[in-house]
Amino acid sequence: QVQLQESGPGLVKPSGTLSLTCAVSGASISGTDWWSWVRQSPGKGLEWIGEIFHSGVSNLNPSLKSRVTMSIDKSKNQFSLSLSSVTAADTAVYYCARAHYDILTFIDYWGQGTLVTVSS
Amino acid sequence: DRVMTQSPATLSASPGEGATLSCRASQTISSNLAWYQQRPGQAPRLLIYGASTRATGIPARFSGSGSGTEFTLTISSLQSEDFAVYYCQQYNNWPRTFGQGTKLDI
Repeated sequence: QVQLQESGPGLVKPSGTLSLTCAVSGASISGTDWWSWVRQSPGKGLEWIGEIFHSGVSNLNPSLKSRVTMSIDKSKNQFSLSLSSVTAADTAVYYCARAHYDILTFIDYWGQGTLVTVSS
Repeated sequence: DRVMTQSPATLSASPGEGATLSCRASQTISSNLAWYQQRPGQAPRLLIYGASTRATGIPARFSGSGSGTEFTLTISSLQSEDFAVYYCQQYNNWPRTFGQGTKLDI
């Protein structure tokens, strides 16, 4: 059973950098799947942030691309998200997820999510 | 970006009844559509991928159909645990985009 667990600060100051890590168990991060981040603002819908492959290749949402960095740590079987220059609009529950490769990639497993609040 | 539009925003139904949820893509996405269920306080759960293939462990009362730009999620004989928010997502193009959700209410 694939399991994902997000970790990171729950509070980030405006103009700071949000940093989250996702630990993966039950699957190798070096396999054929991609690894994703999705966020959900309070009471709102889902926003796809991007996905990364173990080679380091990533696909990012253009709306966030200038502020997003994704990375992979194969030795720890985990991947990470950094979002810079945050504002209150970045307050959301952040989910990490597996994007299963089947010609194209779709999300099949999700972490439980972690709430990140941007506030001074 | 492919804009995904779900209807209705809220659907009221009773246990034992059926429910039909719709999702429309702004441009064709072939059959590259997934449906997710999100219960309060929980992460989304994959129900359907490839527009019509049930994910592992998903009951047969959930079925998906459609291709191109028009898609449907049908739930037959609603159970109490089915009252949740449902999202469609296209994975034919980047960026992946979600619909705004349909809340299935008692």
